[in-house]
Amino acid sequence: AQKVTQAQTEISVVEKEDVTLDCVYETRDTTYYLFWYKQPPSGELVFLIRRNSFDEQNEISGRYSWNFQKSTSSFNFTITASQVVDSAVYFCALGSNDYKLSFGAGTTVTVRA
Amino acid sequence: NAGVTQTPKFQVLKTGQSMTLQCAQDMNHEYMSWYRQDPGMGLRLIHYSVGAGITDQGEVPNGYNVSRSTTEDFPLRLLSAAPSQTSVYFCASSYQETGELFFGEGSRLTVL
Repeated sequence: AQKVTQAQTEISVVEKEDVTLDCVYETRDTTYYLFWYKQPPSGELVFLIRRNSFDEQNEISGRYSWNFQKSTSSFNFTITASQVVDSAVYFCALGSNDYKLSFGAGTTVTVRA
Repeated sequence: NAGVTQTPKFQVLKTGQSMTLQCAQDMNHEYMSWYRQDPGMGLRLIHYSVGAGITDQGEVPNGYNVSRSTTEDFPLRLLSAAPSQTSVYFCASSYQETGELFFGEGSRLTVL
């Protein structure tokens, strides 16, 4: 069975602080895919990144960066110099070659001005 | 640029009533799915379909039915609504089994 754990329920920061969201996963598959989605207060789900299990290279996209470590089964997400618009619920998800995604419980990020 | 369209966006039901949540996508995706979102539990897969005429159960299928007669449409039916089905429902589609999910805007259902 696949499982995703986001241990941080809520994180509150002041604007311009960095924030790191933890994601730990469990799977028996050797080929799998990891995702991060953002859910702003408006409610829609926005795709941020997809990473396959064979690519452990870290990725940076603007103020967002992701650290994938197979040795610790983690796929952490960092927002650098946070802004109020980053306030949202962030979900980590795990999938394999069967279309199904298992989501973590989500981390609510609040960025205060 | 419609993407995934869900209707209705809001619905209130009484216990025992039935209803259908509609989902349509215009991206010609073979894969479609329904998730429910509850506080503190993330999104849980209800049912999914890998193509027209093919459906399967996800993690929490009880109380829900689906059908897939066309590539575009994937309705979710609640046969006899229960308060435990109060939730926000998301329909999603994908172009491949390992690809990103494209989500609809969600449907908030309250069962009294």
